[in-house]
Amino acid sequence: DAKTTQPPSMDCAEGRAANLPCNHSTISGNEYVYWYRQIHSQGPQYIIHGLKNNETNEMASLIITEDRKSSTLILPHATLRDTAVYYCIVRVATGGGNKLTFGTGTQLKVEL
Amino acid sequence: EAQVTQNPRYLITVTGKKLTVTCSQNMNHEYMSWYRQDPGLGLRQIYYSMNVEVTDKGDVPEGYKVSRKEKRNFPLILESPSPNQTSLYFCASSPGGYRKSHFGDGTRLSIL
Repeated sequence: DAKTTQPPSMDCAEGRAANLPCNHSTISGNEYVYWYRQIHSQGPQYIIHGLKNNETNEMASLIITEDRKSSTLILPHATLRDTAVYYCIVRVATGGGNKLTFGTGTQLKVEL
Repeated sequence: EAQVTQNPRYLITVTGKKLTVTCSQNMNHEYMSWYRQDPGLGLRQIYYSMNVEVTDKGDVPEGYKVSRKEKRNFPLILESPSPNQTSLYFCASSPGGYRKSHFGDGTRLSIL
C-alpha cells in the first residue's frame, strides 16, 4: 500500500471549512484513497473514499488531484465535535483482509 | 443499528492469565480484523478473517490467537498475556472490496 503524508496538526474556527491535505505521491492505479477519523480513543469512523473522481457525502467532500498524487478532505462547516485525528489511507480494494494501514494522521482542533 | 460490539471494554489482569476479548458484528460482513493501537505506532493489524474458518496473520500476530467459527463472531485470545500486550484493541468488520470498515468502540487491556 502507498504511504501517505499528512500535517501533524491543524486548527480551524467553528463554522469555517476545514481543509485537510494528504500527499500520496506513490499511489498506484488500483489504489483507493480513504479517510477515517478517530475522536479521542474511540473506534475509527469512516468518512469517505474515492478512486479518481471527487466525492461528496453527508459528512465531507474528497478532492483528488488529476494525477492522484494528493487529495484534500473538506469538512464544509466544522463544529467542535469534528475535533479528532484524521487519517488518510491508501489501499487496494482487495487483499490483506481489507487491512487499513494507519499513519499518524492530522490532529484537527476546532475552536470557537 | 449496524454495529461492532467488543467486550470487555476495560480489563486489568496479570501476566499469564488467559483472556478472551469478544467481537461480534450484526452486518453479515465477510471480513473481520483485530488491530492494536499504541502511542506513536498507530493502529496495527493483528489478525484478520475473510470468512468462516478462514483466518490469517496481520502485521503483529505474535502472542495472539483468533477463531472464526461463526460469521458474526471473531474473538481475540491471549493464551499467556504479557505486559507488552497492554494496549487499546479494536475489532473491525467490512463487506470486502472497496467498501468501508466498521470499528468497535475498543477494549483497553492492562496486563500487570
